[in-house]
Amino acid sequence: DQQVKQNSPSLSVQEGRISILNCDYTNSMFDYFLWYKKYPAEGPTFLISISSIKDKNEDGRFTVFLNKSAKHLSLHIVPSQPGDSAVYFCAASADYGQNFVFGPGTRLSVLP
Amino acid sequence: DTAVSQTPKYLVTQMGNDKSIKCEQNLGHDTMYWYKQDSKKFLKIMFSYNNKELIINETVPNRFSPKSPDKAHLNLHINSLELGDSAVYFCASSQVERNTEAFFGQGTRLTVV
Repeated sequence: DQQVKQNSPSLSVQEGRISILNCDYTNSMFDYFLWYKKYPAEGPTFLISISSIKDKNEDGRFTVFLNKSAKHLSLHIVPSQPGDSAVYFCAASADYGQNFVFGPGTRLSVLP
Repeated sequence: DTAVSQTPKYLVTQMGNDKSIKCEQNLGHDTMYWYKQDSKKFLKIMFSYNNKELIINETVPNRFSPKSPDKAHLNLHINSLELGDSAVYFCASSQVERNTEAFFGQGTRLTVV
């Protein structure tokens, strides 16, 4: 039973354009959401987070949007850069960071 | 200095063997985790330790046992390895009270032959 879903296994975007990565969840108890970025042969690294009391969080080129009623969040990267090419994992926690549930990841390729 | 380090990075071993993966964090975090990334690339939590107490134990076989000699270390011992144990195992740590993200190690690719 996948509590966190990322339905697009891969995404290709031209450099300079916007990348939008989507994530859906089923557990209404989730109250803290994170995005991780993972390069090959490395561990996931934290990118940006959002708590359930907000609907948007922005950090430089990265913005996460949360729609609680739809149980959906998205990560926007603008402008996309070739160095953004990686696998992006959506993660959620029902107890403020104590137990993260991860989605299967979306592989983003930013084409020069 | 690496915040969360795990060794070895690669481990190839035969079925039936017993092996350990070590993990250390120098962030002063109070909680450490082990995750398994399966063939479908899902990252699934196996264990977490908070102040030397096991607080989460997902339905993993009892051949897997976490050992925490101190707050900065959480090692993973695996007995009687099976082919299906082949995966990438990630160690992570976080400071739960500060509501922060988890920091991950680089992963250990375990191959059971």
